[in-house]
Amino acid sequence: DQQVKQNSPSLSVQEGRISILNCDYTNSMFDYFLWYKKYPAEGPTFLISISSIKDKNEDGRFTVFLNKSAKHLSLHIVPSQPGDSAVYFCAALYNFNKFYFGSGTKLNVKP
Amino acid sequence: EAQVTQNPRYLITVTGKKLTVTCSQNMNHEYMSWYRQDPGLGLRQIYYSMNVEVTDKGDVPEGYKVSRKEKRNFPLILESPSPNQTSLYFCASSQRRSLDSPLHFGNGTRLTVT
Repeated sequence: DQQVKQNSPSLSVQEGRISILNCDYTNSMFDYFLWYKKYPAEGPTFLISISSIKDKNEDGRFTVFLNKSAKHLSLHIVPSQPGDSAVYFCAALYNFNKFYFGSGTKLNVKP
Repeated sequence: EAQVTQNPRYLITVTGKKLTVTCSQNMNHEYMSWYRQDPGLGLRQIYYSMNVEVTDKGDVPEGYKVSRKEKRNFPLILESPSPNQTSLYFCASSQRRSLDSPLHFGNGTRLTVT
């Protein structure tokens, strides 16, 4: 059973608006959470991360929120740009060594 | 340029014919790992290595082998490939000195086993 889940396979947003990508997890022992972005024919690239002891981390247009009681994290992109169109993977780190990834959400930002 | 290089990018083979997918990184990273990406399942960790001669199983290690004889290289070996190993494979590396050291991924190897 997947320990990290992204229940929305796709999301479509207008340029300039907010994109919110969601991720749920089952293991309360995860140490760290990360978001990766993936373009076709390329490997995933790191976007932003958050420690399990924090509830928010910002980096420019990207903000990640962590709700430990709900075992839920979300990535906010404001404002969304067409170049943000990609597949976004949520990932969790366990015991410093093992990474668990969600199934991805394909974001389409329309001009 | 700092990068993780996988070869080949595409590979078609037949059941039972041993193959190796190479992975090399030029960032002097201690940690390396392999993943497979399948539709609806995301990336699943196959094996990881904390340093030279130190390897351990990830979530889906069955049917795979790895070795870490040098810091920069981490080949993935399929001794007897089967059709259920048809997938997109990614190698990744990381400094791992702190929890927030992100993974750097290669561009992937698409393997088809007939």
